[in-house]
Amino acid sequence: DQQVKQNSPSLSVQEGRISILNCDYTNSMFDYFLWYKKYPAEGPTFLISISSIKDKNEDGRFTVFLNKSAKHLSLHIVPSQPGDSAVYFCAGHNAGNMLTFGGGTRLMVKP
Amino acid sequence: NAGVTQTPKFRILKIGQSMTLQCTQDMNHNYMYWYRQDPGMGLKLIYYSVGAGITDKGEVPNGYNVSRSTTEDFPLRLELAAPSQTSVYFCASSPPLGTGELFFGEGSRLTVL
Repeated sequence: DQQVKQNSPSLSVQEGRISILNCDYTNSMFDYFLWYKKYPAEGPTFLISISSIKDKNEDGRFTVFLNKSAKHLSLHIVPSQPGDSAVYFCAGHNAGNMLTFGGGTRLMVKP
Repeated sequence: NAGVTQTPKFRILKIGQSMTLQCTQDMNHNYMYWYRQDPGMGLKLIYYSVGAGITDKGEVPNGYNVSRSTTEDFPLRLELAAPSQTSVYFCASSPPLGTGELFFGEGSRLTVL
């Protein structure tokens, strides 16, 4: 049972345009949702999170939107830069400090 | 600022061999985790620990063992390596009662032939 799904394995966008990465979940008990970014040969690094009681959180070029009724969240990157090219994982957090990760989306930003 | 350090970075094992992946953190975090990443499958939790002397199974614990004798160290032992254990392994740590921000090591790529 995949509690967190990222249905797009890859996404390609032009530099300067918006990147939208999507994530769906099934577990209503998640209290936070997080996005992690991973470069090749490195560990994932935390990017941005959102509480389950919010519908939007913004940090610079990165905004995460949460639609609880649809059990869907998305990460918007505006404007996209070549350095944003990486694999992005969404994750749900529950009590006990456990994270459940999606399969990841590889973002390629073309100059 | 070392953070989470994993060794070795790469290892090739023969079927049936055993080895230990080392993980140490210098942030005094209570929580530590071992994940494995298979292509297109995201990260799966193998084992975790909420403090020294306390460990518990995650989603995919079979074929692995852990121990947590100190706050800093959380080694992962592979007994009788199998090709299905070919993967990239990540150790992570976090403070207690957090909101999910984990600090990851750089990973250990293991190949079992």
